[in-house]
Amino acid sequence: DTGVSQDPRHKITKRGQNVTFRCDPISEHNRLYWYRQTLGQGPEFLTYFQNEAQLEKSRLLSDRFSAERPKGSFSTLEIQRTEQGDSAMYLCASSLVEWGAETQYFGPGTRLLVL
Amino acid sequence: GQQLNQSPQSMFIQEGEDVSMNCTSSSIFNTWLWYKQDPGEGPVLLIALYKAGELTSNGRLTAQFGITRKDSFLNISASIPSDVGIYFCAGPLSGGSYIPTFGRGTSLIVHP
Repeated sequence: DTGVSQDPRHKITKRGQNVTFRCDPISEHNRLYWYRQTLGQGPEFLTYFQNEAQLEKSRLLSDRFSAERPKGSFSTLEIQRTEQGDSAMYLCASSLVEWGAETQYFGPGTRLLVL
Repeated sequence: GQQLNQSPQSMFIQEGEDVSMNCTSSSIFNTWLWYKQDPGEGPVLLIALYKAGELTSNGRLTAQFGITRKDSFLNISASIPSDVGIYFCAGPLSGGSYIPTFGRGTSLIVHP
């Protein structure tokens, strides 16, 4: 399977703990996005990378959240001192910009539950 | 916040019926994307539209990019039970933004 993969698929943690999620994009894709999705909502943009550079961050991305893409391939999203409000599905997507057009392909997501 | 309005919010139909849903915005979009999301999974791209007026089909699915660039619709013909899911429209705002905005989705339930 050559699609976007995410690990873990599910994570249950206690409030105050740190969690880290990993995303492996489609290999030739140069852009990687992180989204958060809560029940009844569409995905909400958190941040994105062009190769290894983090180009934009949403106001939703508090200082407890940090994302990296050290070699321009896989990416990690870390949440420090988790809060119950962080419970959500965290989605990763990758894309390749060609001829001015861009289409994102999503991974299966990591569902986080903070107790 | 979200700048796309999807309607209807939910649909309950009989197998074999045709379905139509749409997405509108007060802002101009330069791309419209339609995704389907199954429970517990990430959205899967169905159709991408890149030009105003473009009409594109993918099997039983047909989507159009509105002439005003502020709307798009998705039609599903002869629905089947596996069409069940949440359908999202999305697109980056015109003006150079690469960040897509998503609608809140249309939930589709198909009764056999």
